[in-house]
Amino acid sequence: GENVEQHPSTLSVQEGDSAVIKCTYSDSASNYFPWYKQELGKRPQLIIDIRSNVGEKKDQRIAVTLNKTAKHFSLHITETQPEDSAVYFCAAISMGGGADGLTFGKGTHLIIQP
Amino acid sequence: NAGVTQTPKFQVLKTGQSMTLQCAQDMNHNSMYWYRQDPGMGLRLIYYSASEGTTDKGEVPNGYNVSRLNKREFSLRLESAAPSQTSVYFCASSAGTGGDQPQHFGDGTRLSIL
Repeated sequence: GENVEQHPSTLSVQEGDSAVIKCTYSDSASNYFPWYKQELGKRPQLIIDIRSNVGEKKDQRIAVTLNKTAKHFSLHITETQPEDSAVYFCAAISMGGGADGLTFGKGTHLIIQP
Repeated sequence: NAGVTQTPKFQVLKTGQSMTLQCAQDMNHNSMYWYRQDPGMGLRLIYYSASEGTTDKGEVPNGYNVSRLNKREFSLRLESAAPSQTSVYFCASSAGTGGDQPQHFGDGTRLSIL
């Protein structure tokens, strides 16, 4: 099955600086990579996703890059703001035929220092 | 538009008791999922259902059973609760049957087993 590693587990950055969270995956057949943001006590919410036929995707201050050869993908947040403080999860899924769910990384606690 | 609704929001059980967690979605999604979230472990898939009438095991199915009652509802049952099942349980749904569509999560059920 798929295995997703996520680093770092905790990331503290100054407000206004950029934050980068990295994930690696094991299954070369994986082709869908979403990122979820979870605030304390709340549900996970999708913030951006990328498919394997695209190398980069951007949505305002958030971007995701994918390197299929190296089997890693990263989340980039620019001009960080206090409301970006949360736990971020990467995930991957292999289109093996059937909705076998996502394999999630263990999460990164992003702390935005004022 | 409620999205994904989970009941109950909180529950305390004694070891050996049984209970059913309910989940309903109003987005006409085909696929539904049950995850558990433990501190430092991210989200782990328990069971999923790619379409009405089908269910499959995920990463951590032991001690659980599921029922896809109809297209809207997907329930999770603990037959004989154990302290190791203390966790936050999230239900999710997505369009399509291949798993590569954004998943929408409910607010979670916080379950404590004494």
